[in-house]
Amino acid sequence: DQQVKQNSPSLSVQEGRISILNCDYTNSMFDYFLWYKKYPAEGPTFLISISSIKDKNEDGRFTVFLNKSAKHLSLHIVPSQPGDSAVYFCAASRARGSQGGSEKLVFGKGTKLTVNP
Amino acid sequence: DSGVTQTPKHLITATGQRVTLRCSPRSGDLSVYWYQQSLDQGLQFLIQYYNGEERAKGNILERFSAQQFPDLHSELNLSSLELGDSALYFCASSVDVKGYGYTFGSGTRLTVV
Repeated sequence: DQQVKQNSPSLSVQEGRISILNCDYTNSMFDYFLWYKKYPAEGPTFLISISSIKDKNEDGRFTVFLNKSAKHLSLHIVPSQPGDSAVYFCAASRARGSQGGSEKLVFGKGTKLTVNP
Repeated sequence: DSGVTQTPKHLITATGQRVTLRCSPRSGDLSVYWYQQSLDQGLQFLIQYYNGEERAKGNILERFSAQQFPDLHSELNLSSLELGDSALYFCASSVDVKGYGYTFGSGTRLTVV
């Protein structure tokens, strides 16, 4: 059962325009959400995150919006640049377990973004 | 360089064989996670170790096993390999998933022929 879903396998936008990547989740226990970017032959790299107590987090050209009632989050990239072309993964985690340690991240299948010059 | 080191980068082996993938976490990180990425699939969580102990288990086959050593490096052992085990295997480490989440290694590409 896919708890984190990215329903668009791919997205193509023009340089300078906005890219909107979407992600839905089913587990209401998730309280932290992250976006990762992955280039070919590299591991995913952290991009931006948001806690469930917020509905928006911004970092430069990247903004993540969280709609808890809809169990939906989105990543906006404005303006899009050719270097943003990569696979973007949405990930979610539950509250940290007892006795310290970290909770596993549940990832979506990714959306391949292509930004055309 | 992310600080998480995975070796080898590429591995080609025959069905039925056994391989070991190695991961050295970022300095100071106590948690190590293993993920599998097959074609057209997202990152599937396999297993987590925290300070030497198994912390969480995901969709890891019985033919697969892992451990984390006292120096915190981890090994993922894959045995009786099948063609379907061909995938990218990522290791990640973290102190706390909140904040910046994980730091991933560059992965090991396993090809079973």
